Amino acid sequence: SNDLTQPPAVSVSPGQTATITCSGDNLGTKFASWYQQKAGQSPVLLIYQDNQRPSGIPERFSGSNSGNTATLTITGTQALDEADYYCQAWDSNAAYVFGTGTQVTVL
Amino acid sequence: HVQLQQSAPGLVKTSQTLSLTCVIFRDSVSNNTAAWNWIRQSPSRGLEWLGRTYFRSRWNNDYSISLKSRITITPDTSKNHLSLHLDSVTPEDTAVYYCARETLGAFDVWGHGTLITVSS
Repeated sequence: SNDLTQPPAVSVSPGQTATITCSGDNLGTKFASWYQQKAGQSPVLLIYQDNQRPSGIPERFSGSNSGNTATLTITGTQALDEADYYCQAWDSNAAYVFGTGTQVTVL
Repeated sequence: HVQLQQSAPGLVKTSQTLSLTCVIFRDSVSNNTAAWNWIRQSPSRGLEWLGRTYFRSRWNNDYSISLKSRITITPDTSKNHLSLHLDSVTPEDTAVYYCARETLGAFDVWGHGTLITVSS
């Protein structure tokens, strides 16, 4: 079972801001990561340690984490950002858990 | 850049053992700042972490509680790869299986994924 809850779908117009939330008990006390997965491909790391971007990830992707919610923000969304997005964190049961996933549609 | 090459997709019969390997290129399974993980994905269960192996003066393993009785992850330093063995599989174990490198608590390099179908 997933302990991190995400909205199933988010729609955004090109150039606008998309906000994806990830909710879990005391999530703000853990490091959250975010992944992008396009159809038929492996996930790609976008954000680690709440708000750090790996080399090569565009600046329009940013993250934050506080309280029970981690947030991924895509500023100036582009058509190529259409994908599924997943959060991930370390669970108190000594295991990694992933969020339920959010499908982002760029209309 | 680091690449992970996984074994080919396949069919496993119910109650048998699922076995996969992941060969590491341009990194080492003994890297003492990384961990090597297995993760699977299915429509019904989403992304699910299975377990990991890592070297910190000695070899360590962590496993998902739900799979702990059935799973073994083994490093092979001579071949620079890691293996996954999952015993007593059922159709519920049908999924795409990924190996992934973990650094700083995140999975920064992923294999291409291997579809495993469990059927009688």
